[in-house]
Amino acid sequence: GQNIDQPTEMTATEGAIVQINCTYQTSGFNGLFWYQQHAGEAPTFLSYNVLDGLEEKGRFSSFLSRSKGYSYLLLKELQMKDSASYLCAVPGSNYQLIWGAGTKLIIKP
Amino acid sequence: DTAVSQTPKYLVTQMGNDKSIKCEQNLGHDTMYWYKQDSKKFLKIMFSYNNKELIINETVPNRFSPKSPDKAHLNLHINSLELGDSAVYFCASSQADRASYGNTIYFGEGSWLTVV
Repeated sequence: GQNIDQPTEMTATEGAIVQINCTYQTSGFNGLFWYQQHAGEAPTFLSYNVLDGLEEKGRFSSFLSRSKGYSYLLLKELQMKDSASYLCAVPGSNYQLIWGAGTKLIIKP
Repeated sequence: DTAVSQTPKYLVTQMGNDKSIKCEQNLGHDTMYWYKQDSKKFLKIMFSYNNKELIINETVPNRFSPKSPDKAHLNLHINSLELGDSAVYFCASSQADRASYGNTIYFGEGSWLTVV
């Protein structure tokens, strides 16, 4: 089957670092996407991983381990504007994205 | 300029009514989508069109009928609305029709449909 799991909600402090995990099960693998969705807004693309390892992009980094079916999004130097839901998604058997329910990240001052 | 725009943003209607949501993209993309995001926040693909041709129909009830007059527009018409149709409907577009590197999906701002 095809399945994606992410924690429902996480809380972190402004200026700190937070790691949002995602585990997935797919029949094949064609990469993993992370999107950010602020409340009441559209999801926007953050990152794409297809090879194992860490991809760094400014304050945000994304890690992938294909053997473990595992990815994480690492957010550094948290800012209040990072309060949002973070969605993990992988292509399914029809090459369309299967989405996790998202992790709601709450940043506290 | 908004890349993917959809209207209306909010829609409250009674059960049994018929309603439409319109979507337009100015990115020059070949593929457009309709997604549904339910109360549990799962995004689920409903339909996908590539150059006006339907390529994905994810077992959506026949009451939902998409129409793509050209590759920049994809409208969604819903007949006989039911309470369970209440959700956020996102229009989206991408250059290609398969999720892959470089094929970022761009979403519209969403249409909040409430059926009462």
